[in-house]
Amino acid sequence: KQEVTQIPAALSVPEGENLVLNCSFTDSAIYNLQWFRQDPGKGLTSLLLIQSSQREQTSGRLNASLDKSSGRSTLYIAASQPGDSATYLCAVKDSNYQLIWGAGTKLIIKP
Amino acid sequence: KAGVTQTPRYLIKTRGQQVTLSCSPISGHRSVSWYQQTPGQGLQFLFEYFSETQRNKGNFPGRFSGRQFSNSRSEMNVSTLELGDSALYLCASSLEADVRGYTFGSGTRLTVV
Repeated sequence: KQEVTQIPAALSVPEGENLVLNCSFTDSAIYNLQWFRQDPGKGLTSLLLIQSSQREQTSGRLNASLDKSSGRSTLYIAASQPGDSATYLCAVKDSNYQLIWGAGTKLIIKP
Repeated sequence: KAGVTQTPRYLIKTRGQQVTLSCSPISGHRSVSWYQQTPGQGLQFLFEYFSETQRNKGNFPGRFSGRQFSNSRSEMNVSTLELGDSALYLCASSLEADVRGYTFGSGTRLTVV
């Protein structure tokens, strides 16, 4: 059974710092992995989608990597801003074609 | 281009009642999936519809059901509501999920009292 873990559960850093969020999964048989952000009381905003055959994806200040063999993905945020404060979730599409979610990392960027 | 629209945004129901939630996907998207989000369990997959057919189903009791119409709009129904059904219900639509991923609506916040 696929399980997705995100560490840390919460992170607080000063504005301007570069940071890394981690996502690990137990079964390497995945179709893809997607990173989302969720603002309080809101839905999910898709950030990056990495196919199982890809190693990384980039969008602006965000870079996501995928290492299927070790069951890990990282989301790198460069030059963090207060507007980046949100909960970041990763989800893998497993062999049953279902999205399995991590519990999220709550990120706070201090001005 | 309109996003994924979920109605209503907020709902309060009494135990034992039933509820229907609606999701209108992005125009042209034929896949609609539903998720339940609670503080204790996080996000959990309910089901996915594609061209009016249920393509996949998560581990939820039969009280949770859904359907999709010919215009791709989807409804989710929960019968005999329990306190534990209180959650944020999120709907996502996709054109080509494996290539472009999912676009989520803002959700319906259901409170069962």
